[in-house]
Amino acid sequence: GAVVSQHPSRVICKSGTSVKIECRSLDFQATTMFWYRQFPKQSLMLMATSNEGSKATYEQGVEKDKFLINHASLTLSTLTVTSAHPEDSSFYICSAGGQGPTEAFFGQGTRLTVV
Amino acid sequence: QQQVKQSPQSLIVQKGGISIINCAYENTAFDYFPWYQQFPGKGPALLIAIRPDVSEKKEGRFTISFNKSAKQFSLHIMDSQPGDSATYFCAASHSSTGNQFYFGTGTSLTVIP
Repeated sequence: GAVVSQHPSRVICKSGTSVKIECRSLDFQATTMFWYRQFPKQSLMLMATSNEGSKATYEQGVEKDKFLINHASLTLSTLTVTSAHPEDSSFYICSAGGQGPTEAFFGQGTRLTVV
Repeated sequence: QQQVKQSPQSLIVQKGGISIINCAYENTAFDYFPWYQQFPGKGPALLIAIRPDVSEKKEGRFTISFNKSAKQFSLHIMDSQPGDSATYFCAASHSSTGNQFYFGTGTSLTVIP
């Protein structure tokens, strides 16, 4: 099946620095990618929808200036956590798909720890 | 507001037993209901999915039962194995939002030998 690759799988950063997470669709073109956040033992919460060539759409309560999303091509979306703080520590997961929900695939996730 | 409600939060089953996880939804516009399996430190992987025009779908040991009138669907894992121990999420989406999913709260399944 289709593969979505997320990088890095783990990152530790100091408070106040920025971290970039990449999400790549390896064998298909994705006009839309989604970014989720997952706290320990909790569900995935949609943060934003990343649209190729246009601005991302953020869910209510998600700070767009803090979580910068760029979807520069049909195979790459990036999430940058700016001025990270310990409360931003979480598991971030992207998904990408084709024309419909049956074609959605998830990345392996990125564990962010802010110290 | 949680669009998809899932229960139980955790489940312990003996090897060979049946694991049953239930989900309920409110939005009748949902038209695709997948189940995802997630191992620690990994992203979710699609297990099985159903559309509301059928009441049941079976793939190997995994079965989805769907009750459109009750707005409920469930996952049954037959002959549960220790390797099935993982967190399971139900989800829902509707065609107008493409690949955007609303996830249940997850069920941590432990299958004991």
